[in-house]
Amino acid sequence: AQSVTQLDSHVSVSEGTPVLLRCNYSSSYSPSLFWYVQHPNKGLQLLLKYTSAATLVKGINGFEAEFKKSETSFHLTKPSAHMSDAAEYFCVVSDPGGSYIPTFGRGTSLIVHP
Amino acid sequence: SAVISQKPSRDICQRGTSLTIQCQVDSQVTMMFWYRQQPGQSLTLIATANQGSEATYESGFVIDKFPISRPNLTFSTLTVSNMSPEDSSIYLCSVEAPGQGFQNIQYFGAGTRLSVL
Repeated sequence: AQSVTQLDSHVSVSEGTPVLLRCNYSSSYSPSLFWYVQHPNKGLQLLLKYTSAATLVKGINGFEAEFKKSETSFHLTKPSAHMSDAAEYFCVVSDPGGSYIPTFGRGTSLIVHP
Repeated sequence: SAVISQKPSRDICQRGTSLTIQCQVDSQVTMMFWYRQQPGQSLTLIATANQGSEATYESGFVIDKFPISRPNLTFSTLTVSNMSPEDSSIYLCSVEAPGQGFQNIQYFGAGTRLSVL
């Protein structure tokens, strides 16, 4: 069985300050982990993915995430927030050795203040 | 990669009617997925559609309410039948296709925003 927990429903930051979106997962196998972003009235776009290679994964738009097996975490970070980063972010887990069907977290709404 | 076109992008429907959502992919894919995203919620998988076989529905979703067609490797439809206001959601089509490297990733359409009055 697999599950994913996004610890914050909303995160509010000022433009230019760091972003941290937290995600914890559970998985019976070595999971694949993803972060997707959904801007208002748009579809989901893949930010980055972890698939058992390097534990620090760099994605688009300056985002990165670190896979920490001991903590079962895959937190998303960005050094400096931009107004255009305001969106809904989804952490996703998939078990390649089990059901391939991904499980989505409930989402974290990132609010960026000028 | 895969580019997905979903139609309509939004619709407002009357209670008791049905709406068919179309999903077109620019490449041949084996598996297509239909998700529902209720207001303020995460994505919930409705069903998986493989070409040439009946769709596989997740718990809580039934074929009579959400019939799916998959006539070929680039196209699928989802129908929301006998709609009620509780069906107001965003419906998203998704496919699994090669990403960078050898791993498959999921690509999503822009979604269909459905409001039922």
